[in-house]
Amino acid sequence: SAVISQKPSRDICQRGTSLTIQCQVDSQVTMMFWYRQQPGQSLTLIATANQGSEATYESGFVIDKFPISRPNLTFSTLTVSNMSPEDSSIYLCSVRPSAVTDTQYFGPGTRLTVL
Amino acid sequence: AQRVTQPEKLLSVFKGAPVELKCNYSYSGSPELFWYVQYSRQRLQLLLRHISRESIKGFTADLNKGETSFHLKKPFAQEEDSAMYYCALRTGANNLFFGTGTRLTVIP
Repeated sequence: SAVISQKPSRDICQRGTSLTIQCQVDSQVTMMFWYRQQPGQSLTLIATANQGSEATYESGFVIDKFPISRPNLTFSTLTVSNMSPEDSSIYLCSVRPSAVTDTQYFGPGTRLTVL
Repeated sequence: AQRVTQPEKLLSVFKGAPVELKCNYSYSGSPELFWYVQYSRQRLQLLLRHISRESIKGFTADLNKGETSFHLKKPFAQEEDSAMYYCALRTGANNLFFGTGTRLTVIP
């Protein structure tokens, strides 16, 4: 299994600012992902964080808006840039320990409110 | 394109009654299907996966390729089953597509 922590757990931000969310895993994992869950909606994959290279973004998400870093096998950050109220969501970090395991583990989420 | 549909946003059953949470999917390839559960104030966690054909906490789910369904069932609901349930589909890539979720409430 993998235990995931996220910082911050919640934040209230002003329009036009940026927020960086950290994801720390207690063990080395092959795959790390970032999801968004907008109010009343399901989870949507933003991107796959690749260690040592650029993240792979899903349709509708771009690097300029959601820059991602993954410097090693246990840590990743997601930045929400130039925020607007539409970015108010829960952002979740998720990991898959290895390519042969199909279980994905989720962090507790970061609840972001943009005013 | 792939899609996961959970038609019921809310489902209430009495304790001891059978429960079925519906999930239908759309995917042209060979699907991998999962049920995730989120209890109050806890993080999302895997409940079961179709490939292992297991029963977890009394829940089972059978993949029906003809009906493209993966309904979650339990013969006798318990109060501790009250939670948010998400059906999820993994395609050939790493992406895990989630349905919109069903909030199950078990009435004592």
